[in-house]
Amino acid sequence: QKEVEQNSGPLSVPEGAIASLNCTYSDRVSQSFFWYRQYSGKSPELIMSIYSNGDKEDGRFTAQLNKASQYVSLLIRDSQPSDSATYLCAVKGGGATNKLIFGTGTLLAVQP
Amino acid sequence: GAVVSQHPSRVICKSGTSVKIECRSLDFQATTMFWYRQFPKQSLMLMATSNEGSKATYEQGVEKDKFLINHASLTLSTLTVTSAHPEDSSFYICSARDGGVGTSGNTIYFGEGSWLTVV
Repeated sequence: QKEVEQNSGPLSVPEGAIASLNCTYSDRVSQSFFWYRQYSGKSPELIMSIYSNGDKEDGRFTAQLNKASQYVSLLIRDSQPSDSATYLCAVKGGGATNKLIFGTGTLLAVQP
Repeated sequence: GAVVSQHPSRVICKSGTSVKIECRSLDFQATTMFWYRQFPKQSLMLMATSNEGSKATYEQGVEKDKFLINHASLTLSTLTVTSAHPEDSSFYICSARDGGVGTSGNTIYFGEGSWLTVV
């Protein structure tokens, strides 16, 4: 089992719709969770971080965390063509480790 | 927000030569930096964790003698690809952990990445 799993997509949504991106992780003691956006040929850009169960909203983005189910998601409201990118879920291990473990990413395509 | 600068952004080198990539945290002290490699359409693969003033910790399968990492100061880490071969051609990305006073120590910022092409 991969440590961080994502559906590779592509996930295609029409402009203005809600895009829902999902991620599961295997390490139960993980405490920190991140969503990064990566445009083709560019470095990842941090979008959201979430540490507690529940929802965290920032503009059009909402991160949701359920530690019991080992599940974290990202919702993008009012999707725009400029949101088209690969979205990487990253999990920071529990304990003293500082390593971020990345999923393979989900390619999002927002259709105009 | 915090900025991590990586240089060069693109480099072409001949097979057998060495190339150095620099990673700098511009407005915070980074006690820990990470080096990743990313092949086309694949996810980021952690190569090593670099701690200021100590030896880097390499991930399994990464040759420490080929990928030399130096983290001499709190704002600079370097990756040197020695005796480069065409299969080393990849996108190399560094990141730095902002663990300064007043931070949660959880946020990791990425550099812009460096495209290495070995011909």
